Amino acid sequence: DQQVKQNSPSLSVQEGRISILNCDYTNSMFDYFLWYKKYPAEGPTFLISISSIKDKNEDGRFTVFLNKSAKHLSLHIVPSQPGDSAVYFCAAKESGNTGKLIFGQGTTLQVKP
Amino acid sequence: EAGVAQSPRYKIIEKRQSVAFWCNPISGHATLYWYQQILGQGPKLLIQFQNNGVVDDSQLPKDRFSAERLKGVDSTLKIQPAKLEDSAVYLCASSPRTDYGYTFGSGTRLTVV
Repeated sequence: DQQVKQNSPSLSVQEGRISILNCDYTNSMFDYFLWYKKYPAEGPTFLISISSIKDKNEDGRFTVFLNKSAKHLSLHIVPSQPGDSAVYFCAAKESGNTGKLIFGQGTTLQVKP
Repeated sequence: EAGVAQSPRYKIIEKRQSVAFWCNPISGHATLYWYQQILGQGPKLLIQFQNNGVVDDSQLPKDRFSAERLKGVDSTLKIQPAKLEDSAVYLCASSPRTDYGYTFGSGTRLTVV
């Protein structure tokens, strides 16, 4: 049972344009969502997060939007840069749980110069 | 601050052999996680420690996998005997506490042939 889904395995955008990565979830007990970025041969690194009490969180070029009614979140990167090329994982945490994260399958972003 | 250290970086073994991975978390981090990432999938939690006690090992295949965290610092994850489907990247992560974001190591890539 895939509780967190990233339905687009890959995305290619031109440098300077907007990248939009999507994530859907099924568990209504999730109350905290995170995005991680992963380069080859490295571990995932934390990018940005959002609590379920918010619908938007912004950090520089990165913005995460949460639509609780649709159980959907998205990561916007504006403007996209070649260095943003990586695998992006969406992850979710249940309220009151121990810290366990449920990850999506990942989306590979390629930003072309 | 030093990151999460893992070794070895790569390991190739034959099926039915045993293998062990080591993780040294960030100093002072009480919570330690082992995740398994199979190619094309997101990381999946295998086991979580709080100091030297197990918090969650519900997804650890206990017939072949074992893990320990002696003295609440370093941790080892063992597979005995290995199967072909154990081929994956094994990621260790640590955090100061369960409600805090965590830092991943670079992982150990295991190939079972």
